[in-house]
This record gives sequence, structure tokens and C-alpha cells, in this order.
Amino acid sequence: DGGITQSPKYLFRKEGQNVTLSCEQNLNHDAMYWYRQDPGQGLRLIYYSQIVNDFQKGDIAEGYSVSREKKESFPLTVTSAQKNPTAFYLCASSIGQANQPQHFGDGTRLSIL
Amino acid sequence: GENVEQHPSTLSVQEGDSAVIKCTYSDSASNYFPWYKQELGKGPQLIIDIRSNVGEKKDQRIAVTLNKTAKHFSLHITETQPEDSAVYFCAASGGGSQGNLIFGKGTKLSVKP
Repeated sequence: DGGITQSPKYLFRKEGQNVTLSCEQNLNHDAMYWYRQDPGQGLRLIYYSQIVNDFQKGDIAEGYSVSREKKESFPLTVTSAQKNPTAFYLCASSIGQANQPQHFGDGTRLSIL
Repeated sequence: GENVEQHPSTLSVQEGDSAVIKCTYSDSASNYFPWYKQELGKGPQLIIDIRSNVGEKKDQRIAVTLNKTAKHFSLHITETQPEDSAVYFCAASGGGSQGNLIFGKGTKLSVKP
């Protein structure tokens, strides 16, 4: 079955530590996205990528970094500069960027130890 | 930029009743409006979408209506069932958002047996 796989499902970060969240898709989609979801909030865009080796900042990129070395993969690193990283992180992909349905993974919940 | 407001934030209905969730958007250039259903601990799942060249779209018990003049769109669920209980998100894209989706803050729907 085609889809988006996020791992791990739960992740714990120590103070001062960088952690990387994995996102893999086998839908052959060009565009990929990372969102942050906090309780009672909508989804806020962290980073997005329209094509391999290219990505752009979203609305809340500070304290995060990404790479897009392969079409299938779009890992997100939560750096120590992100002072409030506890949230539910969602990865999505779409055929193209503009005005297309996005398909989501089942998320990674990040907590601070 | 685009702003999407969603109401109500919580909605409780009896099984078999109808449920309506409303969203308004600010950017008149937006032209794509998806609705997502999110169950606890899962990623959002696309349930229906509409583009600005149509006013209404139906899929079994779910329908979406769009009023471009008033810049609002609504999700209608008829004959609700307990499994419809979830958080529903509306989104809008196009115009100044570079085709990225801008999400509402969600509606928690509870269907009581």
C-alpha cells in the first residue's frame, strides 16, 4: 500500500539535544511538508519542499532544519534552539505544491525529558 | 496572508442528527478547500474537498458547500454515527499562500449514541 511513514511514533529529547524525525513516502509525490500541532491549534507549517534538494521555510521554521536528498524522504531535525519542542509533528506529501490534496502520516509525538 | 477561522470549536450531537461545521477565509484568491478528519493519535485524513469553480460537492453522508462571495465554506454530515466522532479541520489554499494549505483550528465533534 502506498502511504507516508513517520518514525518513531514517540520521541523524547533531553535538554540541549538535537533529534531527527523521519518521514518516508512511496506515493511518488514531489512535494513534502512538516507541520507542528499543539493542543487546540490548527496545523502550523514548519518547512516544505517542492522538489529534491530544495526546501523553503514555513511560518514557524526557527529551531528546526530539514533536508531533501531523496524524493521519498524529508527528515526534520528539532535543534536545541527550539525552546518549546513538545508537540505532535505531522509530515505530509502531495503531487504538486499548489492547491493539491495533502496526504498525512500518523505523526511523531515529541516530549522533553 | 490567508487566515482561516473555524466554528464551532466543539460540537456535540445525538446519533442520527446532522452536524455542520463552518469556516471563513480572508484571501479571495483562494481556490481549493479540503476538509480533514483526525482521530486520536492519528494523522489527518482527507474526507472531501472542493474547488472554487463549484458550489457544492457530496460524497454519501458528507457534503461541502462553498460561497465565494461571502468567503465561507461548510461541512455537512448527515445521519451521524459514533464513528464520526473526531476532530475536523478545514483548510484553504491558493492566492497569497503560495499554494500552501492554511488550516482552521479544528472542531471536536462528539456523536452520542
